[in-house]
Amino acid sequence: EPEVTQTPSHQVTQMGQEVILRCVPISNHLYFYWYRQILGQKVEFLVSFYNNEISEKSEIFDDRFSVERPDGSNFTLKIRSTKLEDSAMYFCASSVPRDKETQYFGPGTRLLVL
Amino acid sequence: SQQGEEDPQALSIQEGENATMNCSYKTSINNLQWYRQNSGRGLVHLILIRSNEREKHSGRLRVTLDTSKKSSSLLITASRAADTASYFCAHSPVSYGNNRLAFGKGNQVVVIP
Repeated sequence: EPEVTQTPSHQVTQMGQEVILRCVPISNHLYFYWYRQILGQKVEFLVSFYNNEISEKSEIFDDRFSVERPDGSNFTLKIRSTKLEDSAMYFCASSVPRDKETQYFGPGTRLLVL
Repeated sequence: SQQGEEDPQALSIQEGENATMNCSYKTSINNLQWYRQNSGRGLVHLILIRSNEREKHSGRLRVTLDTSKKSSSLLITASRAADTASYFCAHSPVSYGNNRLAFGKGNQVVVIP
């Protein structure tokens, strides 16, 4: 069964550095999302992406964050000038046009900012 | 807040028993979904119920939705040890279209063999 994959599974970085989190959505999916879950807290929406542009973003998704679909398979989240509070599990999700409400999640990337 | 809230947050049951979890929300919704998360893993979609539906079944899962009370429940019947996980409800607020899900804090369910 097709799955959303994410790399790396864990990422440790120094505060102020840039990180890129990678996702490979399910192949026929056209809607893409990033969510994050700070330890012990709720899963929070960051951004949705469709047709090579951001559809919607939350207040968390400030100008340090960016998303890109550099090719036909990858979907990336870049965080510049990382802060301690960016430490979280980051989930990528995707969905198909005929059922975009049902989002399929990847296993997540645990980001630790020191 | 538009986040859902589950109740109870931790549940420990014997294998074979039923597990019931509740979720409430505060806005008008397009749909509500339940996800499962095994420890350290991703979120697995379980079931979606639309705002015009009242009950839905999928295998051992039964979901109800009461839009007048802005609440939903997830029932897992004949639980198995493999059902041990965290269960999250997530709703799609009307004000946000269908692009974002608002998650609750989750219920930790432990099924004892």
